[in-house]
Parts: sequence; structure tokens; C-alpha cells
Amino acid sequence: NAGVMQNPRHLVRRRGQEARLRCSPMKGHSHVYWYRQLPEEGLKFMVYLQKENIIDESGMPKERFSAEFPKEGPSILRIQQVVRGDSAAYFCASSPEDTQYFGPGTRLTVL
Amino acid sequence: GNSVTQMEGPVTLSEEAFLTINCTYTATGYPSLFWYVQYPGEGLQLLLKATKADDKGSNKGFEATYRKETTSFHLEKGSVQVSDSAVYFCALSDRLGGAQKLVFGQGTRLTINP
Repeated sequence: NAGVMQNPRHLVRRRGQEARLRCSPMKGHSHVYWYRQLPEEGLKFMVYLQKENIIDESGMPKERFSAEFPKEGPSILRIQQVVRGDSAAYFCASSPEDTQYFGPGTRLTVL
Repeated sequence: GNSVTQMEGPVTLSEEAFLTINCTYTATGYPSLFWYVQYPGEGLQLLLKATKADDKGSNKGFEATYRKETTSFHLEKGSVQVSDSAVYFCALSDRLGGAQKLVFGQGTRLTINP
């Protein structure tokens, strides 16, 4: 059973561009969480999704950020018009019920 | 709201030393508690967990006991190895309306010297 997959592992964008981060949960897991880790800090919750539904987006910035988890395909975290402050590692986690299993993360650098 | 406070790092030890990384939490209700480890350039791996008071989680020689009276979940290992060098995160689950958000401490960087 493959683990949580994220791609790309590294993403470089210039200010104003869009960033799309993808996450494929473990097989059989229907819950997906996104977290952001700023340098030298712990992870901060962003959004929780189930298939085709956003359950809790209380940690998402109000503008420029969106997330989806379609019926088919991976979950997508989308950041429009990126700014330097968006540079961080973005981690996806999936779970069947309780314990969350993390992917390797996408490290976003905004130039 | 719920929060986790970890011992500040970095922590540097010699191989075979005894390790303690302190973690205390503030929470309403009865959260589950976790320790995650992050090796350089990698994602977080679950190290151990405990779901109720007095439970002891253990894995790879690491242990932590869920202490409700002191709201603590300190990580311990009797004899550390160079390969244990990593960043360790304490976390609690904050279940709200079905979502199980993890609330993380700031992380403790551990370096083990041979």
C-alpha cells in the first residue's frame, strides 16, 4: 500500500503566478488534510476535505487560497497570485478515521 | 483554544545518552496525543500515540505517557543513536464537528553526536 503521494516535491514560482500542489491519499483513505510549515515552525492546519466536500477550511487564508478533493483524482491546493510570504512547505495528510499519515511535502519557493 | 508547548531546542546529546523532550498541552475535552518525527528533507512520520489518560505509546525505543493530571506527554528514550537526529513534533488532535485537526508544537531539533 503506497503512502501519501505529493507532487511536485519542489516548486518555484515568481510573484503573481499560480501554484498548484497535488496530493494523492493512501488507498482507502477518504479524509485529506492540508498543513503549512513555515521555516523553523510547526505545522499549521489549513483545510480538511472529504471527497467532493470541504469540511473545515478555518485555517485557510481568506484570499488566493483554495482546495478541492474531486470524486476522481488527487486533492489540489491552489494558490493564486503567489507572494514571497507563501514560501513554505505544504504537507498533505490522509486518514481513514483517527491517525493521520503525512506525505513528503511540497516545498514552494516564491521568487 | 487548544495548544501544545514543546521544550525549546536545539538539543544536542552524545550517542547512548538518555533523552527527554518535554511536551505540555492545553485542551478542552480528551484529545489524542502524538509524537511525529521529521528527518531532513522529508515529511512527518508518526512515531507514537496515546488516546487516553495513562496510556503509554512506544515505538523504536521511544516512549511517552499521557498524563492528564500534569497535561503532559513527554518523549523519552533510554539510549539515543546518531540516526535519531531529526526534528520531533508533539501534537494533539482537536476534533471539531468531525474534523480531526492536529495542533502541533513548534518542534524540537535533536542532534546526536557519535
